[in-house]
Amino acid sequence: ILNVEQSPQSLHVQEGDSTNFTCSFPSSNFYALHWYRWETAKSPEALFVMTLNGDEKKKGRISATLNTKEGYSYLYIKGSQPEDSATYLCAFAGSGGYQKVTFGTGTKLQVIP
Amino acid sequence: DAGVIQSPRHEVTEMGQEVTLRCKPISGHDYLFWYRQTMMRGLELLIYFNNNVPIDDSGMPEDRFSAKMPNASFSTLKIQPSEPRDSAVYFCASSFDSLGTDTQYFGPGTRLTVL
Repeated sequence: ILNVEQSPQSLHVQEGDSTNFTCSFPSSNFYALHWYRWETAKSPEALFVMTLNGDEKKKGRISATLNTKEGYSYLYIKGSQPEDSATYLCAFAGSGGYQKVTFGTGTKLQVIP
Repeated sequence: DAGVIQSPRHEVTEMGQEVTLRCKPISGHDYLFWYRQTMMRGLELLIYFNNNVPIDDSGMPEDRFSAKMPNASFSTLKIQPSEPRDSAVYFCASSFDSLGTDTQYFGPGTRLTVL
């Protein structure tokens, strides 16, 4: 069983604050790391997929970094807005054979207006 | 494309009854996944198919659960007999190609309640 952990489990921030959270994953047999955004009562939607150590991806005010050697990825949100409120999931894909994606349990973000 | 389609959206049934959940993946996607979401365990992969063939069913909880994909555009997840602990949201997802790097597109989910 692969250990994909996200922290914190939940957080509340004020509108306009910047925030970040962490995804930890096995540093061996790395293949890819995904970030998904999951709004309440909807289904997860892809934000980023990263494959190379040192990768940085950006989409508007949201960005992510990847460190495969130490097994972590950060997701940053700059100037949080109420519409950013969602659960952010990371998903780890290992190498070798048929790859299986393992999801973390998510970080639930609430942005307070 | 309409995206991944799941039916029903909500299902309420009594313990012991058979439940069948349905999924239509995005056309052209070769991979199909069934997930279960619970408060305790988050999003768990139950089974996935590649070109209609089950590849990994190690996440299927027990023999009461079965999944089929008779063709490229349809899959079912069946629970027989259902139990209250099966209550959860079940998601179907599909992806185009390489499992590791390709984005998975999720359906809206089926909320199952077993009384």
